[in-house]
Amino acid sequence: IVMTQSPATLSVSPGERATLSCRASQSVSSNLAWYQQKPGQAPRLLISDASTRATGIPYRFSGSGSGTEFTLTISSLQSEDSAVYYCQQYNNWPTWTFGQGTKVEIK
Amino acid sequence: QVQLVEFGGGVVQPGRSLRLSCAASGFTFSSYAMHWVRQAPGKGLEWVAVMSYDGSKKYYADSVKGRFTISRDDSKNTLFLQMNSLRPEDTAVYSCARVGGGRVRGGYDYWGQGTLVTVSS
Repeated sequence: IVMTQSPATLSVSPGERATLSCRASQSVSSNLAWYQQKPGQAPRLLISDASTRATGIPYRFSGSGSGTEFTLTISSLQSEDSAVYYCQQYNNWPTWTFGQGTKVEIK
Repeated sequence: QVQLVEFGGGVVQPGRSLRLSCAASGFTFSSYAMHWVRQAPGKGLEWVAVMSYDGSKKYYADSVKGRFTISRDDSKNTLFLQMNSLRPEDTAVYSCARVGGGRVRGGYDYWGQGTLVTVSS
Protein backbone atom coordinates (compact mmCIF):
# COMPACT_ATOMS: atom_id res chain seq x y z
CA ILE A 1 0.00 0.00 0.00
CA VAL A 2 1.39 3.40 -1.02
CA MET A 3 0.69 6.37 1.25
CA THR A 4 0.79 9.80 -0.38
CA GLN A 5 0.87 12.97 1.69
CA SER A 6 0.10 16.49 0.55
CA PRO A 7 1.26 19.14 0.45
CA ALA A 8 4.99 18.52 0.76
CA THR A 9 5.39 21.79 2.64
CA LEU A 10 2.78 23.88 4.41
CA SER A 11 3.41 27.42 5.63
CA VAL A 12 0.88 28.66 8.18
CA SER A 13 0.69 31.72 10.43
CA PRO A 14 0.50 31.25 14.20
CA GLY A 15 -3.08 30.80 15.34
CA GLU A 16 -4.25 29.69 11.91
CA ARG A 17 -5.53 26.23 10.97
CA ALA A 18 -3.25 23.70 9.28
CA THR A 19 -4.76 20.86 7.25
CA LEU A 20 -2.59 17.93 6.17
CA SER A 21 -3.77 15.17 3.85
CA CYS A 22 -2.85 11.52 3.51
CA ARG A 23 -4.16 9.23 0.79
CA ALA A 24 -3.84 5.44 0.67
CA SER A 25 -3.58 3.53 -2.62
CA GLN A 26 -6.20 1.10 -1.27
CA SER A 27 -8.47 1.04 1.73
CA VAL A 28 -6.77 0.85 5.12
CA SER A 29 -10.05 1.12 7.03
CA SER A 30 -9.27 3.26 10.10
CA ASN A 31 -5.85 1.69 10.64
CA LEU A 32 -3.89 4.89 10.34
CA ALA A 33 -1.56 6.84 12.61
CA TRP A 34 -0.06 10.32 12.48
CA TYR A 35 3.36 11.24 13.87
CA GLN A 36 5.20 14.49 14.48
CA GLN A 37 8.98 14.56 14.08
CA LYS A 38 11.24 17.46 15.02
CA PRO A 39 14.90 17.62 13.92
CA GLY A 40 17.12 15.21 15.83
CA GLN A 41 14.17 13.64 17.64
CA ALA A 42 12.28 10.38 17.40
CA PRO A 43 8.78 10.56 15.92
CA ARG A 44 5.99 11.25 18.40
CA LEU A 45 2.64 9.51 18.08
CA LEU A 46 -0.18 12.04 17.71
CA ILE A 47 -3.15 10.05 16.44
CA SER A 48 -3.96 6.35 16.10
CA ASP A 49 -6.95 4.57 14.60
CA ALA A 50 -7.39 7.63 12.36
CA SER A 51 -8.94 9.83 15.03
CA THR A 52 -7.85 8.81 18.55
CA ARG A 53 -5.44 11.25 20.16
CA ALA A 54 -2.49 9.65 21.91
CA THR A 55 -1.85 10.29 25.58
CA GLY A 56 -0.80 13.86 26.32
CA ILE A 57 -1.46 15.20 22.83
CA PRO A 58 -3.04 18.68 22.84
CA TYR A 59 -6.65 19.02 21.72
CA ARG A 60 -5.65 21.25 18.81
CA PHE A 61 -4.51 18.09 16.99
CA SER A 62 -7.33 16.07 15.44
CA GLY A 63 -7.55 13.31 12.88
CA SER A 64 -10.36 12.25 10.58
CA GLY A 65 -11.10 9.99 7.65
CA SER A 66 -11.35 6.33 6.79
CA GLY A 67 -10.77 4.08 3.82
CA THR A 68 -8.34 5.94 1.58
CA GLU A 69 -8.62 9.60 2.59
CA PHE A 70 -7.33 11.00 5.88
CA THR A 71 -6.75 14.42 7.37
CA LEU A 72 -4.71 15.76 10.26
CA THR A 73 -5.87 19.16 11.45
CA ILE A 74 -4.00 21.50 13.75
CA SER A 75 -6.73 23.91 14.77
CA SER A 76 -4.60 26.82 15.98
CA LEU A 77 -0.96 26.49 15.01
CA GLN A 78 1.64 27.15 17.70
CA SER A 79 5.32 27.87 17.11
CA GLU A 80 6.26 24.51 18.64
CA ASP A 81 4.22 22.71 15.97
CA SER A 82 6.90 23.35 13.35
CA ALA A 83 7.91 19.82 12.35
CA VAL A 84 7.53 17.09 9.74
CA TYR A 85 4.32 15.08 10.00
CA TYR A 86 4.02 11.49 8.78
CA CYS A 87 1.01 9.25 8.29
CA GLN A 88 1.37 5.46 8.59
CA GLN A 89 -0.98 2.65 7.68
CA TYR A 90 -1.03 -0.53 9.75
CA ASN A 91 -3.91 -2.26 8.04
CA ASN A 92 -1.80 -4.35 5.68
CA TRP A 93 -0.18 -6.61 8.29
CA PRO A 94 2.70 -7.00 8.58
CA THR A 95 3.99 -4.59 5.96
CA TRP A 96 3.27 -1.17 7.39
CA THR A 97 4.04 1.87 5.27
CA PHE A 98 4.59 5.56 5.89
CA GLY A 99 3.82 8.57 3.81
CA GLN A 100 6.71 10.73 2.62
CA GLY A 101 5.91 13.48 5.14
CA THR A 102 4.58 17.03 5.19
CA LYS A 103 6.79 19.79 6.55
CA VAL A 104 4.88 22.41 8.51
CA GLU A 105 6.54 25.81 8.70
CA ILE A 106 5.51 28.80 10.74
CA LYS A 107 4.89 31.79 8.50
CA GLN B 1 8.97 4.93 32.53
CA VAL B 2 9.18 3.22 29.16
CA GLN B 3 12.60 3.42 27.55
CA LEU B 4 14.01 1.99 24.36
CA VAL B 5 17.74 2.44 23.77
CA GLU B 6 19.52 1.23 20.64
CA PHE B 7 23.18 0.23 20.40
CA GLY B 8 25.54 -1.12 17.81
CA GLY B 9 25.56 1.36 14.96
CA GLY B 10 28.70 2.48 13.22
CA VAL B 11 30.55 2.67 9.93
CA VAL B 12 30.82 -0.58 7.99
CA GLN B 13 32.01 -1.51 4.51
CA PRO B 14 29.57 -2.77 1.88
CA GLY B 15 29.02 -6.51 2.13
CA ARG B 16 29.90 -6.65 5.82
CA SER B 17 27.67 -7.33 8.82
CA LEU B 18 26.46 -5.45 11.87
CA ARG B 19 24.27 -6.38 14.83
CA LEU B 20 22.02 -3.82 16.46
CA SER B 21 20.51 -4.11 19.93
CA CYS B 22 17.53 -2.39 21.52
CA ALA B 23 17.38 -2.45 25.32
CA ALA B 24 13.85 -2.09 26.69
CA SER B 25 12.78 -1.07 30.17
CA GLY B 26 9.73 0.17 32.02
CA PHE B 27 7.24 -2.29 30.56
CA THR B 28 6.62 -6.03 30.18
CA PHE B 29 8.80 -6.56 27.12
CA SER B 30 7.68 -10.16 26.58
CA SER B 31 4.08 -9.00 26.03
CA TYR B 32 4.86 -6.73 23.07
CA ALA B 33 5.57 -7.23 19.41
CA MET B 34 8.60 -5.14 18.55
CA HIS B 35 9.50 -3.37 15.33
CA TRP B 36 12.56 -1.89 13.65
CA VAL B 37 12.09 1.28 11.60
CA ARG B 38 14.82 3.17 9.74
CA GLN B 39 15.30 6.67 8.38
CA ALA B 40 17.95 7.49 5.79
CA PRO B 41 19.62 10.90 6.26
CA GLY B 42 17.18 13.64 5.26
CA LYS B 43 14.58 11.10 4.17
CA GLY B 44 11.32 9.63 5.46
CA LEU B 45 10.52 6.67 7.65
CA GLU B 46 10.70 3.07 6.44
CA TRP B 47 9.40 0.04 8.31
CA VAL B 48 12.07 -2.69 8.40
CA ALA B 49 10.95 -5.69 10.45
CA VAL B 50 8.64 -6.96 13.19
CA MET B 51 8.78 -9.83 15.63
CA SER B 52 5.70 -11.06 17.48
CA TYR B 53 5.55 -10.95 21.27
CA ASP B 54 6.28 -14.67 21.53
CA GLY B 55 8.89 -14.78 18.80
CA SER B 56 6.84 -17.12 16.63
CA LYS B 57 6.37 -14.67 13.76
CA LYS B 58 8.91 -12.51 11.96
CA TYR B 59 8.31 -10.32 8.96
CA TYR B 60 10.59 -8.12 6.87
CA ALA B 61 10.40 -5.34 4.31
CA ASP B 62 11.22 -6.56 0.81
CA SER B 63 14.27 -4.28 0.80
CA VAL B 64 15.94 -6.27 3.61
CA LYS B 65 14.41 -9.74 3.25
CA GLY B 66 17.05 -12.46 3.17
CA ARG B 67 19.74 -10.14 4.56
CA PHE B 68 18.39 -8.96 7.93
CA THR B 69 17.23 -11.12 10.85
CA ILE B 70 15.20 -9.90 13.79
CA SER B 71 15.36 -11.72 17.13
CA ARG B 72 14.72 -11.11 20.81
CA ASP B 73 15.94 -12.22 24.24
CA ASP B 74 13.10 -11.72 26.70
CA SER B 75 15.36 -12.67 29.63
CA LYS B 76 17.40 -9.55 28.85
CA ASN B 77 14.54 -7.39 27.55
CA THR B 78 16.48 -6.90 24.36
CA LEU B 79 15.58 -6.84 20.67
CA PHE B 80 18.20 -7.48 17.98
CA LEU B 81 18.66 -6.84 14.29
CA GLN B 82 21.37 -8.83 12.55
CA MET B 83 22.23 -7.07 9.31
CA ASN B 84 24.26 -9.00 6.72
CA SER B 85 25.39 -8.15 3.19
CA LEU B 86 25.02 -4.46 3.93
CA ARG B 87 24.59 -2.03 1.05
CA PRO B 88 25.13 1.74 0.85
CA GLU B 89 21.35 2.18 0.63
CA ASP B 90 21.04 0.64 4.12
CA THR B 91 22.65 3.78 5.54
CA ALA B 92 20.12 5.14 8.04
CA VAL B 93 19.23 5.72 11.65
CA TYR B 94 17.69 2.49 12.94
CA SER B 95 15.11 2.72 15.71
CA CYS B 96 13.14 0.16 17.61
CA ALA B 97 9.51 0.85 18.44
CA ARG B 98 6.56 -0.79 20.12
CA VAL B 99 2.85 -0.66 19.34
CA GLY B 100 0.75 0.98 22.02
CA GLY B 101 -1.31 -1.14 24.35
CA GLY B 102 0.36 -4.36 23.29
CA ARG B 103 -1.89 -4.46 20.25
CA VAL B 104 -1.04 -6.32 17.08
CA ARG B 105 -1.99 -3.28 14.99
CA GLY B 106 -1.62 0.32 16.05
CA GLY B 107 0.59 3.35 16.21
CA TYR B 108 4.04 3.27 17.79
CA ASP B 109 3.66 4.90 21.18
CA TYR B 110 7.35 4.61 22.10
CA TRP B 111 10.45 4.86 19.95
CA GLY B 112 14.12 4.74 20.73
CA GLN B 113 16.39 7.62 19.69
CA GLY B 114 18.01 5.39 17.12
CA THR B 115 21.52 4.31 16.17
CA LEU B 116 23.22 5.43 12.96
CA VAL B 117 24.46 2.83 10.52
CA THR B 118 26.70 4.10 7.72
CA VAL B 119 27.61 1.71 4.93
CA SER B 120 30.57 3.08 3.02
CA SER B 121 33.90 1.97 1.66
